[in-house]
Amino acid sequence: AQSVTQLDSQVPVFEEAPVELRCNYSSSVSVYLFWYVQYPNQGLQLLLKYLSGSTLVKGINGFEAEFNKSQTSFHLRKPSVHISDTAEYFCAVSSNAGNNRKLIWGLGTSLAVNP
Amino acid sequence: DVKVTQSSRYLVKRTGEKVFLECVQDMDHENMFWYRQDPGLGLRLIYFSYDVKMKEKGDIPEGYSVSREKKERFSLILESASTNQTSMYLCASRPSGLYGYTFGSGTRLTVV
Repeated sequence: AQSVTQLDSQVPVFEEAPVELRCNYSSSVSVYLFWYVQYPNQGLQLLLKYLSGSTLVKGINGFEAEFNKSQTSFHLRKPSVHISDTAEYFCAVSSNAGNNRKLIWGLGTSLAVNP
Repeated sequence: DVKVTQSSRYLVKRTGEKVFLECVQDMDHENMFWYRQDPGLGLRLIYFSYDVKMKEKGDIPEGYSVSREKKERFSLILESASTNQTSMYLCASRPSGLYGYTFGSGTRLTVV
């Protein structure tokens, strides 16, 4: 069975500081990995995804994530955050074996960017 | 711009009412999903559908049913609403293959 752990439920940070949101997964098969963002009172929006190839993935709004197979991690980073990055961030994993219709979700990390 | 549309942003219903939440996508996606989102519990899958008239239970199907008569529309039904079904409900769709989900804006349901 697959699972996703987001290691921090809340991350406070000052504006223009760097941030890392941590995500670890467990799976016995190869996986595809996703990060989503949810702004207040909205649905979720895809930030970036790793399917194959380069382990460093760039997404929207200046975010990037690195897939580390040996550490089973997919941490999200941004070198300088803005107030507008305040949101909930979700990591998700999908198996590439068999039925891959569903995503397995982490519980989310609430990023609060303070002035 | 492709999108998933949920018919209501906010809904207030009484205990025992039958409630319909509607979701329409304009992307010709095969797969559609209903989640509920509660603080501290993340997203929990209620039901999903991978084709017209096909459905599969997710992790928390009790108290819910779904209908998919047309490819673009996926309805979530609360047969007899209860206060513990007060939540944010999110609909999503996804094509076959290696793609992420497209989400609707959500329906915040309050059962009183």
